[in-house]
Amino acid sequence: DIQMTQSPSSVSASVGDRVTITCRASQTVYTALAWYQQKPGEAPKLLIYAASTLQTGVPSRFSGSGSGTDFTLTISRLQAADSATYFCQQGDRFPPTFGHGTTVEVK
Amino acid sequence: QVQLQESGPGLVKPSQTLSLTCSVSGASIGSGGYYWTWIRQHPGKGLELIGYIFYIGNTYYNPSLKNRLTILADTFNNEFSLKLTSVTAADSAAYYCATMTTSVYIDHWGQGTLVSVSS
Repeated sequence: DIQMTQSPSSVSASVGDRVTITCRASQTVYTALAWYQQKPGEAPKLLIYAASTLQTGVPSRFSGSGSGTDFTLTISRLQAADSATYFCQQGDRFPPTFGHGTTVEVK
Repeated sequence: QVQLQESGPGLVKPSQTLSLTCSVSGASIGSGGYYWTWIRQHPGKGLELIGYIFYIGNTYYNPSLKNRLTILADTFNNEFSLKLTSVTAADSAAYYCATMTTSVYIDHWGQGTLVSVSS
């Protein structure tokens, strides 16, 4: 199975800051990469798919980039509502596999 | 808009069978187009793919659960189910049903159901 490694495991930032989360795949996944946001007590929510395509309704301050093995999720102007855990997931090879998550704390 | 709702017991005794059902609205299980998926999340941990069913008869089971797991689809009631036998405390988790697209990302999730395995 393809291993997905996220970093950092947690980050603390202030409202208005730019936050970047990285996800690395153990082998190329081309652009078959999705990002999810999960708030405490809730189900995950799809933010981005195909590495950089914003899911309908997701604020434009979220963006994704990358291809091959290295990907990033960027929150351009952090809001209090962005406090959550973020997961990446590869969809190139079955079975799909997830990163372990990055917790974003808004100071 | 696809909506998913898990149902099942919140408490299961060790060695017994965990049975969960996912009721689907806004899409037809029999029409293809989605992998009907189960995912679990241990407390404070990441997401673990349990398995999925596709075109009714095609399934994938996580190898670590394969010997204990059955996923079925009921097109009449438009729902799919999970049965996990011989449960232990390690099976205590939040269980989510979800739709995975043919591009292999998960676009709809149930709200999740918390299952505890305890005597």
